[in-house]
Amino acid sequence: AQSVTQLDSQVPVFEEAPVELRCNYSSSVSVYLFWYVQYPNQGLQLLLKYLSGSTLVESINGFEAEFNKSQTSFHLRKPSVHISDTAEYFCAVSDITGGGNKLTFGTGTQLKVEL
Amino acid sequence: EAQVTQNPRYLITVTGKKLTVTCSQNMNHEYMSWYRQDPGLGLRQIYYSMNVEVTDKGDVPEGYKVSRKEKRNFPLILESPSPNQTSLYFCASSSLVGSAEQFFGPGTRLTVL
Repeated sequence: AQSVTQLDSQVPVFEEAPVELRCNYSSSVSVYLFWYVQYPNQGLQLLLKYLSGSTLVESINGFEAEFNKSQTSFHLRKPSVHISDTAEYFCAVSDITGGGNKLTFGTGTQLKVEL
Repeated sequence: EAQVTQNPRYLITVTGKKLTVTCSQNMNHEYMSWYRQDPGLGLRQIYYSMNVEVTDKGDVPEGYKVSRKEKRNFPLILESPSPNQTSLYFCASSSLVGSAEQFFGPGTRLTVL
């Protein structure tokens, strides 16, 4: 079984400041790692994912996440946030050996970008 | 447009009155799943299906039923809703490739009085 911990339930930040949203996971098997974003009153959308290879993955809107196997972490970062980044962010894992379709989610981090 | 649709988007009902939330996808995905989202708990999987007539329990299946008679549809059934099933529900679909992106519907906000 897997579990995901997102320690920060809310992260307030000023526009153009950098941000890091933390994610740690626990699993006895290899996993795929995902970040999903939920804008107000919408469903979840995939932001980025780590499957294998380079441990640094990037999204099209400037977010990046780095897989750290020794620390079992997959923190999400952005060097300069925009008002439009205000949303809830969910870290998730899936079990490679089990087919990988079942997602186990963290409890989410609400990112609030202020002027 | 590739999408997952859910109906209704909002529903207020009373304890014990059977209801169905529909979910449909137009991407020919084999895998479909239902989640509920509660504050402080994130999303938890209720049921999933890997193909037509193949369904299985997720992490919180009690009080729910599903069926998969057609590939595109995966309705969630609450035969006797209770107030603790008040929640935000999401349907999702993906191909069976394990690393595949899951596509989520817009959500159904259910209130059981």
